[in-house]
Amino acid sequence: DTGVSQNPRHKITKRGQNVTFRCDPISEHNRLYWYRQTLGQGPEFLTYFQNEAQLEKSRLLSDRFSAERPKGSFSTLEIQRTEQGDSAMYLCASSSGSGHQPQHFGDGTRLSIL
Amino acid sequence: AQSVTQLGSHVSVSEGALVLLRCNYSSSVPPYLFWYVQYPNQGLQLLLKYTSAATLVKGINGFEAEFKKSETSFHLTKPSAHMSDAAEYFCAGELVGTSYGKLTFGQGTILTVHP
Repeated sequence: DTGVSQNPRHKITKRGQNVTFRCDPISEHNRLYWYRQTLGQGPEFLTYFQNEAQLEKSRLLSDRFSAERPKGSFSTLEIQRTEQGDSAMYLCASSSGSGHQPQHFGDGTRLSIL
Repeated sequence: AQSVTQLGSHVSVSEGALVLLRCNYSSSVPPYLFWYVQYPNQGLQLLLKYTSAATLVKGINGFEAEFKKSETSFHLTKPSAHMSDAAEYFCAGELVGTSYGKLTFGQGTILTVHP
């Protein structure tokens, strides 16, 4: 169990640019989640995959956001035309598909928009 | 709307004192509940989980939480605080009617431990 890995750890970009984050879940986990955490708040759910299928998207996930999990393994989260309000910590979590198993979180990608 | 609420955004205790972090949920049906800890610039680490098997749940690092349906609460406690417990703590629930595994988090409580 090598844990959930997220890259990059930090991303600084100018407003209007596109960014992409990667998440590698624990290898045997078929469920993968993305959350966004702003300063002083708890994480907020963005989207959820079971294997390669994206089963739910939050209304927080505007049209500028897209997530994929092409082979049911790693996932990417892309933000197009970034805005100041996108500055946050983006957390990925994974869990196994049996019962109400706890989610294991990565260390996150901190996005800063200049 | 269903929610998870943590009372107190900051809690300060002396080393060796009791730690009590409060969490309440709003749901007609008890959800699955979790406590996570987050250290600066890191992800969330699971402390413990409640899944209806027992109302008193023991977790890692000496923490435990008691589920009280009558009070819709799931407060986190530790008998004796250690300096290494200083971190931010989040209560989270897998609320009824939400997607399988989707978590709703409280606002977090920052725990400060004084020598």
